[in-house]
This record gives sequence, structure tokens and C-alpha cells, in this order.
Amino acid sequence: GENVEQHPSTLSVQEGDSAVIKCTYSDSASNYFPWYKQELGKRPQLIIDIRSNVGEKKDQRIAVTLNKTAKHFSLHITETQPEDSAVYFCAASEGGQNFVFGPGTRLSVLP
Amino acid sequence: EPEVTQTPSHQVTQMGQEVILRCVPISNHLYFYWYRQILGQKVEFLVSFYNNEISEKSEIFDDQFSVERPDGSNFTLKIRSTKLEDSAMYFCASSGLASYNEQFFGPGTRLTVL
Repeated sequence: GENVEQHPSTLSVQEGDSAVIKCTYSDSASNYFPWYKQELGKRPQLIIDIRSNVGEKKDQRIAVTLNKTAKHFSLHITETQPEDSAVYFCAASEGGQNFVFGPGTRLSVLP
Repeated sequence: EPEVTQTPSHQVTQMGQEVILRCVPISNHLYFYWYRQILGQKVEFLVSFYNNEISEKSEIFDDQFSVERPDGSNFTLKIRSTKLEDSAMYFCASSGLASYNEQFFGPGTRLTVL
């Protein structure tokens, strides 16, 4: 089955700097890759997603890149703000309903 | 903006007891899911449900688990005989038909098994 790894497990950046979180997946059949943000004690919320027919997608300060050949995808957050502090989970799916999540990255944005 | 809702927010039960966790998905969504998250760990898929039947389930979703859509709005997860290791946050999620991959999560039910 699918296995998703995520690095780093924790990340601290200064406010205004960029943050990059990387995920790798094992199943070449996976074709949908969402990123979820989970604040402490809250529900996971979709922040951006990418499908396998696209190499990059951007939404304001957030971007995701996908390398199908290498089977990895990355989340890029620019101009980080304290409210970006949360746990970020990547996931992979074969277009079905079974999301396989990575172990998460705890991002801390220091003022 | 419509949201997935879940009740109760926190459920405490004795080992061996049955629990039912309830969810109200977003009204025009057709796919429904249950996930669990053990404290400090990643979110794990349990089951997906479409057209009144299970469409996918994980290894975690064994015979002690069942799901049901008893009416047009609720979606439930039943754990028949709870174990200590069932203690976790249980998230319900739903997605529509047009963009069925985009899953919207509920606030979760924290289940504590004593």
C-alpha cells in the first residue's frame, strides 16, 4: 500500500522567512496530493492541493510542487506569519477516498 | 460557509462498552469518511462511504467498527466493544461529487476509553 513520509518533523522559522516541507510517496498510482493545516485542538483544514497532471500550483503565499518521477511533493510558504504556526500534513491518494497522510510537520513561526 | 459537524465533542466510556459517534456532513456532499488521530500522531483513514455502502476501508476498520447513514443527514461510526487503544480523536469528513477528492473535516470527537 501507499506510504507517505514527511520532513522535517519540526520546523522553526523567523517571521517573514520562507518555509518548505517535503513529502515522498511510494505508490506511483497516486494522483491527488492535498495539504492540510491543523491548529492545536482543531480540525485539519485543506490549504492547497495538486493533481498529478500539474507540476505546480500557487495560492497567494502558499505553493505546492510535484515531481511525479521522483515521487515527491513540497509545500512552500513565503512571508511566514505567526498565524501560520500549526501542524501541516501532506497526503496522497489514488483518486479514491483513501487518504494516506504523512506524519506531520510542526511549524513554528517566531516573531 | 457550510461545515461538517460532529457530536459529542468528547466521549468517555468504559472498556468493552459500545459507542456511537455522530456526524452531519455538508448537505450536498455524497462521500463520507471516518478518520482517527491518536494523540500526537498522524491522521489515519478508517473508512469511506458512498451510495449507502462502504467503498473503502483500512486494516484498522475491523469487525468491531461499523458505519451507518440512518437518515438523510447523519453519518455514524459505531465501535462495538471499545478497547483502551481506541482512545483517539475521531474525525468525520465529507466531499462532494464534482470535486470528490477535496475532503472537509469535522471538528472531531475525542474518545477516551478507561
